[in-house]
Amino acid sequence: AQSVTQPDIHITVSEGASLELRCNYSYGATPYLFWYVQSPGQGLQLLLKYFSGDTLVQGIKGFEAEFKRSQSSFNLRKPSVHWSDAAEYFCAVGARGGGGNKLTFGTGTQLKVEL
Amino acid sequence: ETGVTQSPTHLIKTRGQQVTLRCSSQSGHNTVSWYQQALGQGPQFIFQYYREEENGRGNFPPRFSGLQFPNYSSELNVNALELDDSALYLCASSLAGSGANVLTFGAGSRLTVL
Repeated sequence: AQSVTQPDIHITVSEGASLELRCNYSYGATPYLFWYVQSPGQGLQLLLKYFSGDTLVQGIKGFEAEFKRSQSSFNLRKPSVHWSDAAEYFCAVGARGGGGNKLTFGTGTQLKVEL
Repeated sequence: ETGVTQSPTHLIKTRGQQVTLRCSSQSGHNTVSWYQQALGQGPQFIFQYYREEENGRGNFPPRFSGLQFPNYSSELNVNALELDDSALYLCASSLAGSGANVLTFGAGSRLTVL
């Protein structure tokens, strides 16, 4: 069974500082990988996804993530955080080949941005 | 193009009651899936509908059921509500074959069971 671990429940960074949110997954093969962001009272917005190819993927709002097969990781990064980035971030894994739309999410990382 | 819309946005029920939540897919999408997000947790997959049939289900009891209509909209029904059913229920739509698992989520329906 697939699973996702986001080891950091809360992270606080200063505006303008760099950010890295950790994500480790468990899956028997190369999975589909996603990062979503959720603002209060909102649904989930897709930041970026990895399906295959280049292991460094670029997303919206200046975010990027790197797939590292050897570490089973898919960490999210941003070089300079803006106050509007404060939200909850979810990493998710999807099965290849017949897995349909079943995504397995981590428990999320709440990001606080200090001005 | 319109996104995924869900109704109602908030509702309160009592234990044992039944609830129906509704979802309109994003224009052009033909697959709908439902997720339950308890407070402080990540979303959990309930089930998926494609061509008006359930074609994938997570670890949820049969009292969670759904429908998909010819216009690809969907309903989630929960019978015999329990306190633990209190959660944000998220609907997501996608286009089968376009790139599996690329979901567009609605803002959710927040259910409180007293």
